[in-house]
This record gives sequence, C-alpha cells and structure tokens, in this order.
Amino acid sequence: EVRLVESGGGLVQPGGSLRLSCAASGFGFSHYSMNWVRQAPGKGLEWLSYFVNSGTTIYYADSVKGRFTISRDNAKNSLYLQMNNLRAEDTAVYYCARDGGRAWESDYWGQGTLVTVSS
Amino acid sequence: QSALTQPASVSGSPGQSIAISCTGTSSDVGGYNYVSWYQQHPGKAPKLMIYEVTNRPSGVSNRFSGSKSGNTASLTISGLQAEDEADYYCSSYRSTSTFAGVVFGGGTELTVL
Repeated sequence: EVRLVESGGGLVQPGGSLRLSCAASGFGFSHYSMNWVRQAPGKGLEWLSYFVNSGTTIYYADSVKGRFTISRDNAKNSLYLQMNNLRAEDTAVYYCARDGGRAWESDYWGQGTLVTVSS
Repeated sequence: QSALTQPASVSGSPGQSIAISCTGTSSDVGGYNYVSWYQQHPGKAPKLMIYEVTNRPSGVSNRFSGSKSGNTASLTISGLQAEDEADYYCSSYRSTSTFAGVVFGGGTELTVL
C-alpha cells in the first residue's frame, strides 16, 4: 500500500523557518518524482514544487521561489521542504504527493501537515 | 501564476449529470494533454479522479469522465450520487518562457440536492 506521511508542521513566527518531511512507503520512492502542494484555510490547492526522480530537475511556484527548497533522500525514502522567511500567507495545510509519471498528475497524497505563521 | 478558471459552484439532483469546466490558455490546458481532476471531501486529502484529460485511475467509477476542447477541459459526473458532493479541482502542466510546473483551478463546490 502506498503511504505518504507528512510531519514537521506547527506554529512559527513571521520570518521564521520550518522543515517539513514526507515519509514514503509501499512503492519504489527513488523511481518517482514528487510534489509539494498546499491549501490555505478555506482556499484551493496551490502547487509549490516538483522534484524529478532522477534528481536533475526541480521546479518552484513563483510564490515560494527563493524562500522554499525541496530536497529528497532516496536512501531514507523521504521528501523534504525547507521553508524560510515565512509569511502569514504561507499558513496552510502542506501535502506531499507522488507524481504518477504519466501526465503531471499526483496519484497519491499524504494527509497533510498544518503550518501556521503567526506572531 | 494565475490559476485555471473553474465555476465556484455547481449543483444537481441525484441521478442527473453535471459538468465542471476548467479554462486555461494555450500554455497549459490548450497546449498539453496534461489535465487532471481531483475530488476533495472536507478535511480529507485530494483524490485523483482523471488524468491525461480522459483517463481514469483504477478504482474510480466510470460515472466520472473527462474531455477537452481548445483551452477548456471538462469533468462530467453522470448518475449523481450523494457521495459525489465534494470540491473538485482541475490541474494542468504549464510551460512558458518563465515558468514550468503545475497550476490548479480555483476549485468547484459540487452540491447534490
């Protein structure tokens, strides 16, 4: 069974940093590209970043470029999102999602971890 | 990046069919067959319903179907059931001179009357 479990969310002050983790199991993690997607309270989905399985390509949304860094450790079957210089508008549930490898679809999602940026 | 355009809400009665539109540009929906649709129930993670415009993942009911014409993609749900009541999001790959990645629509709330 494919399983994605996010962790690392919590309350952080504006300007602070947080590192999210996503533990993957039930599939060959190193063979799949991965995404981070977030959802602000009561709002829609926002794609944030993509890390190709081969490790050669990374994409970011403009809203987080230069502040967030995606990384992965295939030996630990884990995906990460380092978030710096956090703003109130970064408050959201953050999901990691597996790229299905066919047409930029996310075929499996974690349950999400809540990040709250507030003083 | 600007989001894809979806209606904020649609509704239908049990047994009826409804369609949700998703309008983009030639840089995303119109330029690639990389449109996906997701269903999200309150408090839950999104679930993939359609990928590559028309394809259903294993386990998704054949009451869900997708199509595309020009810059607009559509999700059709036939034989509406109470459990279909949820938020639906489209997404597409987008490539421009300054951006490559995924964009989502703003989401559509489906109410089953």
